[in-house]
Formats: sequence, C-alpha cells, structure tokens
Amino acid sequence: KQEVTQIPAALSVPEGENLVLNCSFTDSAIYNLQWFRQDPGKGLTSLLLIQSSQREQTSGRLNASLDKSSGRSTLYIAASQPGDSATYLCAAPLGTTDSWGKLQFGAGTQVVVTP
Amino acid sequence: NAGVTQTPKFQVLKTGQSMTLQCAQDMNHNSMYWYRQDPGMGLRLIYYSASEGTTDKGEVPNGYNVSRLNKREFSLRLESAAPSQTSVYFCASSEQGAGTEAFFGQGTRLTVV
Repeated sequence: KQEVTQIPAALSVPEGENLVLNCSFTDSAIYNLQWFRQDPGKGLTSLLLIQSSQREQTSGRLNASLDKSSGRSTLYIAASQPGDSATYLCAAPLGTTDSWGKLQFGAGTQVVVTP
Repeated sequence: NAGVTQTPKFQVLKTGQSMTLQCAQDMNHNSMYWYRQDPGMGLRLIYYSASEGTTDKGEVPNGYNVSRLNKREFSLRLESAAPSQTSVYFCASSEQGAGTEAFFGQGTRLTVV
C-alpha cells in the first residue's frame, strides 16, 4: 500500500519568502502525484499534477518536482503572499497497477504567510 | 463551471438515522469517488466507481453504501449513522485511466450526535 508523508505539518513564513513543501511516498512506481490546496472549511483545489514521466511541472509561482527514485516530491511557491495561507496536500495513487485514480493522501502542511 | 457539486453542505443527524449524500459532476468523467476527512487521519477513500454501473470498496467502506445513478451522479448512503461517522465527506471525479487529475467538491460536513 502506498504511504504518503508530508513534513513539516505546519510552516509559518514572512511575506515574500519562498515556500518549500515536502512530500515523500513509499512506492516509487507511481503513475502521477498531485498537489492540492485546501482553505479552511473548503474543498480541495488541484494545483499541479506531475506525471511519472515528468520531473517538474510549473504553474505561475508554483513549481513541483518529482523524484521517483528517492520517493519525493517538492512544491515550491515563489515570493509567498498572505493569500497563499492554506493547507497543502499531496496525493499519490494507491497501487501501482491501479488505473482508477484512487489516491493516498498525506496529512498536509498548514502554511501561514504573515504580512 | 460547476465541476463537482455536493449536497447538502452541512448536516446534523441523530445516532441511528439514515441519510444520503448527493454528488454530481458535469465534466463527463467516468470515475467518481467518496472520501472522508478526519483530523489527524487525512483523507481516506470510502468507495469509488471506476465507470457507470460499477462500484467498489475503498479503504474505509464499513457503514456506507453507494449508488452510481448515472454517469453524472454518485451518492453515498449512511443507513444507520454512528458518532464515528462524524466527518467531512468529499466527492471527487476523474477521467478513467492512469495519470488522470482528480477534481473535488466542496464537501459535506456531517455531525452525528
């Protein structure tokens, strides 16, 4: 079974600083890895999806890398803003031959960006 | 752009009551999922439907049933609610097949007293 870990559980940075969020997974034979954002009391918003064939995926100030050999993904958020305050979750498929998109989630990193 | 819509958003039940959580998606996705989110446990898969007409158990299916009514709709039923089912429930959908992106609804916050 795929296990996903996110460290740290919480992070506080001043506005303008770059954010680095870590995600590790136990089964390196994954199809993809997805990063989500969750605001308090809200649903999950998909940020980036990295396919197993990719090493990086970028969207605006967000950049996610994937290193299957080491079982790690990193989400970088450049020049953080107070609006980036949220919980960030990573998720990987439950099984290597699973083609139905069933996801195993990390517990998330709660980010606070102070003005 | 509705995406994935869940109803209701909030619900309070008494122990032993039943209810159905509704989910509909307008992205023509084949696969749909129900997750629950609990503090300290993260999101866990309850049931999923790989395609219309099929359903299967996830990680925590006990106490729940599902119905894939058609391609758009996937409901989750609690036949006899228990306090342990107090949670936030999320519905999600994705294209069928590996490497596809999942999209989530806004969640249903359920309290069982």
